[in-house]
Amino acid sequence: KAGVTQTPRYLIKTRGQQVTLSCSPISGHRSVSWYQQTPGQGLQFLFEYFSETQRNKGNFPGRFSGRQFSNSRSEMNVSTLELGDSALYLCASSPWTSATSYNEQFFGPGTRLTVL
Amino acid sequence: KQEVTQIPAALSVPEGENLVLNCSFTDSAIYNLQWFRQDPGKGLTSLLLIQSSQREQTSGRLNASLDKSSGRSTLYIAASQPGDSATYLCAREGYKLSFGAGTTVTVRA
Repeated sequence: KAGVTQTPRYLIKTRGQQVTLSCSPISGHRSVSWYQQTPGQGLQFLFEYFSETQRNKGNFPGRFSGRQFSNSRSEMNVSTLELGDSALYLCASSPWTSATSYNEQFFGPGTRLTVL
Repeated sequence: KQEVTQIPAALSVPEGENLVLNCSFTDSAIYNLQWFRQDPGKGLTSLLLIQSSQREQTSGRLNASLDKSSGRSTLYIAASQPGDSATYLCAREGYKLSFGAGTTVTVRA
């Protein structure tokens, strides 16, 4: 079974631009979460989508948004980029079934965003 | 407020030595816990998930324990190898994963 894939793997943008990152979850997984990883703040939760609905959201400004499609693929968008948005953006998928009491998450390789 | 703490931040051991990595939480609520490995510039690889009802999980040379009463989890890696060099992260499961800052391990050949 293929793992979580993220595109593109690397991006270089300038301040003020916007960017869209894509995530394809493991087949059959309905939950997709996004995390930002920086050396100073570590891994921080952005948001989670389940069945095309944002179910949970982290403490990030409204410039960060996302969506999920009917095939569970997800995109996140960052508008008006700032230097501090430079980070590794990780996507994780989970089957999220009520049949189990756990929610194991599987991560993609990430998209490295550099804002100049 | 740091919810999940990992100590030490870095660890260097000679090949063959056993590794002990610690993870602690600030509250004693019942959560599942997941351990990950991250190689430089890469994504996270899931190593073990311990359900809140379990006390430990094992996979090959890896063993993870969970003590809810003390709010601690420990990852043991037996007979370390240079290929085990990476950053190890623990994460408490909730509506999101709450991560520790990680322990960077270097295994010297």
